[in-house]
Amino acid sequence: QKEVEQNSGPLSVPEGAIASLNCTYSDRGSQSFFWYRQYSGKSPELIMFIYSNGDKEDGRFTAQLNKASQYVSLLIRDSQPSDSATYLCAVPLFSGGYNKLIFGAGTRLAVHP
Amino acid sequence: KAGVTQTPRYLIKTRGQQVTLSCSPISGHRSVSWYQQTPGQGLQFLFEYFSETQRNKGNFPGRFSGRQFSNSRSEMNVSTLELGDSALYLCASSLVANRGLDYGYTFGSGTRLTVV
Repeated sequence: QKEVEQNSGPLSVPEGAIASLNCTYSDRGSQSFFWYRQYSGKSPELIMFIYSNGDKEDGRFTAQLNKASQYVSLLIRDSQPSDSATYLCAVPLFSGGYNKLIFGAGTRLAVHP
Repeated sequence: KAGVTQTPRYLIKTRGQQVTLSCSPISGHRSVSWYQQTPGQGLQFLFEYFSETQRNKGNFPGRFSGRQFSNSRSEMNVSTLELGDSALYLCASSLVANRGLDYGYTFGSGTRLTVV
C-alpha cells in the first residue's frame, strides 16, 4: 500500500459544479494534512490544511478529514476554469524521529466552460 | 517577505557530470526539504535538513547528497549524472518541524535539470 494515495484523474467537471478530490493515507499517527495546487510548469502552492476531524472551509474550498477511515478530501465549490490544475495531497510521515512530508501522485482537475 | 529562492532555474548537463543546486529558505524557516518531481514518479522526497543536520532521507542512491549551512541555506549535489536524473528539483522550507508538521511547506520555483 502506498503511503499516500490519490486517483490520478483526470477529473473533469463543468464550470460551476462541485469538484471532489480524495486522498487516503497509511500512517494512523499522522496529525496534519495538506492540499497543494500545482499549475502546469509551476511549483506546488499550499491551499488548505486540516488537523481535526470534520470539515474546514476557506472560501470555495472545504477540506474534510476522517482519521478513523484515514481519509481526507477537498471539495471545490463553484468550480472555475482557473481551478484547472493538479491537486496534491500531502501527509507527514514519522520516520527516524522526525517527520517527512509525503505527497500523493496528484489528481488532475479539468474545469470546462 | 521573500519566498523560497532556488538557483539556477534551468540547467543542462551531460551524463557523468555533477551538479549543485542552491536553495535559500524563507527568513526564519530552519527546515529545508528537497524533492524530485518527474511525470512518472510525481513528487519524491529526497532529504530534509534542520540546523545543518540531515534528519530524513528518501530512497535515492548515494549520488544524491545535500547540506545545510548555518544561515539555513541549503545545497543539493548530484554526482555522476544519469539521463534518468532529468527532473524538476524542488526545495521547500518550513518553520520548526515538530511531530505534526503544523505549518506545511512553502516551495521554491524549482530547478529544471536536463541531462543529455
